[in-house]
Amino acid sequence: EDKVVQSPLSLVVHEGDTVTLNCSYEVTNFRSLLWYKQEKKAPTFLFMLTSSGIEKKSGRLSSILDKKELSSILNITATQTGDSAIYLCAVCGGSNYKLTFGKGTLLTVNP
Amino acid sequence: DTEVTQTPKHLVMGMTNKKSLKCEQHMGHRAMYWYKQKAKKPPELMFVYSYEKLSINESVPSRFSPECPNSSLLNLHLHALQPEDSALYLCASSPGQFEGPYEQYFGPGTRLTVT
Repeated sequence: EDKVVQSPLSLVVHEGDTVTLNCSYEVTNFRSLLWYKQEKKAPTFLFMLTSSGIEKKSGRLSSILDKKELSSILNITATQTGDSAIYLCAVCGGSNYKLTFGKGTLLTVNP
Repeated sequence: DTEVTQTPKHLVMGMTNKKSLKCEQHMGHRAMYWYKQKAKKPPELMFVYSYEKLSINESVPSRFSPECPNSSLLNLHLHALQPEDSALYLCASSPGQFEGPYEQYFGPGTRLTVT
């Protein structure tokens, strides 16, 4: 069975701190790894990492895929209170390209 | 534009009611998805449509009935639901299912309460 594990499950930091969120996976026929940010409602797409695109960056957020270690990290620098959210990692794999989600990391950024 | 819309935003229904959730996208995506999300849990896949054909049914009870009338629309028909079916129902779409990998874009969700 496909498995995605995120750590930590929750994290509290102060504005301006840098955080690193972790995601490890066991998936048959890995296709891609996706990061989403979820506030009150729907998950918002952040990044997709594949074998041909193992690093992505957008502003203060960046992500790296380590295919050897079957893991990914999401870095957020100079955190702001607006970064407070649940960050979901999902892996696409299998013969049906299904997404398997981790349980998420709840990030709280205090002023 | 990466917008997926869902209606209604909130729905309260009794266990004997019949209601429908609607999802729409105009990005030309050929794969559409229904997920169910309970509080403090990740989304769980329910159904996938690829090119308007049902591709995946994750052993969902028959009281949930999906329909894909065309490539832009996805419905979820609800009948005789149970209180434990109360959840956030999310629709998502992606350019394709099998040709990818592709990112999935989520709609805002319908918050369903079954009384």
